[in-house]
Amino acid sequence: DGGITQSPKYLFRKEGQNVTLSCEQNLNHDAMYWYRQDPGQGLRLIYYSQIVNDFQKGDIAEGYSVSREKKESFPLTVTSAQKNPTAFYLCASSLWTGGKDTQYFGPGTRLTVL
Amino acid sequence: EDQVTQSPEALRLQEGESSSLNCSYTVSGLRGLFWYRQDPGKGPEFLFTLYSAGEEKEKERLKATLTKKESFLHITAPKPEDSATYLCASMDSSYKLIFGSGTRLLVRP
Repeated sequence: DGGITQSPKYLFRKEGQNVTLSCEQNLNHDAMYWYRQDPGQGLRLIYYSQIVNDFQKGDIAEGYSVSREKKESFPLTVTSAQKNPTAFYLCASSLWTGGKDTQYFGPGTRLTVL
Repeated sequence: EDQVTQSPEALRLQEGESSSLNCSYTVSGLRGLFWYRQDPGKGPEFLFTLYSAGEEKEKERLKATLTKKESFLHITAPKPEDSATYLCASMDSSYKLIFGSGTRLLVRP
């Protein structure tokens, strides 16, 4: 089955901890994205990557970090510097044929700070 | 500032009662307008992409249309399984998606 997987589905973090969210895709997509979704708000872009070993900040990158060592994988680390990390995190991927490509989403990870 | 506004925030319909969801955008250099469906606790599922004013796309009971300022998602004779949150997003000149906050649709049997 081709698709995007995210793990874990639920994640609990204590104050001051760093946590890493996993995102893997087997669609052979070039670009990958991380979004954050809060109740009553639209999805907001955290980071994106169009090619291995390269990534760019989105609109709300502060307190987050990413890596793109493999085409299939784009993990997101939520650091202790992120002031309000409780949210639903969504990973997406797309081809990159000039930029108008459709983004397809994974099932999401719900992060809760205890 | 580029912005996407969806209305209404929530919509309740009886099964079979057709209606429309609105997505207004103020994005310079629109590259595309995307519609997604999202079920509670799940990731968005892609529905349609529209690229130019006047374009229409259909899928089962859903039909999406696009003008220069807004897009509509028409739902004809909805069923309870159409209940979900519908998200629209515009793609700006830098190829980033700007999402609206969604319309929560509830279809009662």
